[in-house]
Amino acid sequence: GENVEQHPSTLSVQEGDSAVIKCTYSDSASNYFPWYKQELGKRPQLIIDIRSNVGEKKDQRIAVTLNKTAKHFSLHITETQPEDSAVYFCAATYNNNDMRFGAGTRLTVKP
Amino acid sequence: GAVVSQHPSWVICKSGTSVKIECRSLDFQATTMFWYRQFPKQSLMLMATSNEGSKATYEQGVEKDKFLINHASLTLSTLTVTSAHPEDSSFYICSAFLAGVATATFFGQGTRLTVV
Repeated sequence: GENVEQHPSTLSVQEGDSAVIKCTYSDSASNYFPWYKQELGKRPQLIIDIRSNVGEKKDQRIAVTLNKTAKHFSLHITETQPEDSAVYFCAATYNNNDMRFGAGTRLTVKP
Repeated sequence: GAVVSQHPSWVICKSGTSVKIECRSLDFQATTMFWYRQFPKQSLMLMATSNEGSKATYEQGVEKDKFLINHASLTLSTLTVTSAHPEDSSFYICSAFLAGVATATFFGQGTRLTVV
């Protein structure tokens, strides 16, 4: 089955700096890679996703890159703000079945 | 985006009793829903895949007789924690995916179960 590893587990940045979170996956059949933001006690919220036929996707301050050959994908947040502080999870799945999550990264943006 | 509603959002029950959690897709039909468990400061762990009209598929290590899943309609899946024990206390979250042009997975708001 799919195995997703995520690094770092914690990340602290100064407001305005960039944050990068990296994930690797094991199943080459995986074709959909979403990123979720979860605030304490709340449901994960989809913030951006990428499919295996695309190498990069950007949405305002958030971007995701995918390297299928190396089986890794990354989340980039630019111009971080305190409200970006949360736990971020990457995930990998084949056609949304059996979605597997990384262990999560606790991002703290210091004002 | 699509809405997945989960109920209740929190529940406290006595050890030995059973608790039912509902997961509804409000504005779309979901042939497949997923149930996750999340312990404090940990990731979401897939417990089982719930398929409408058929038996759920459980992940290794998840007791199917303890965590009963029923997916009787295209918009409702239920998870029943039977004979709950304090170690079952956790955050349970369901998800459903909306197939189509914008295929994406949406989560319920989660249920915090505390067994005392």
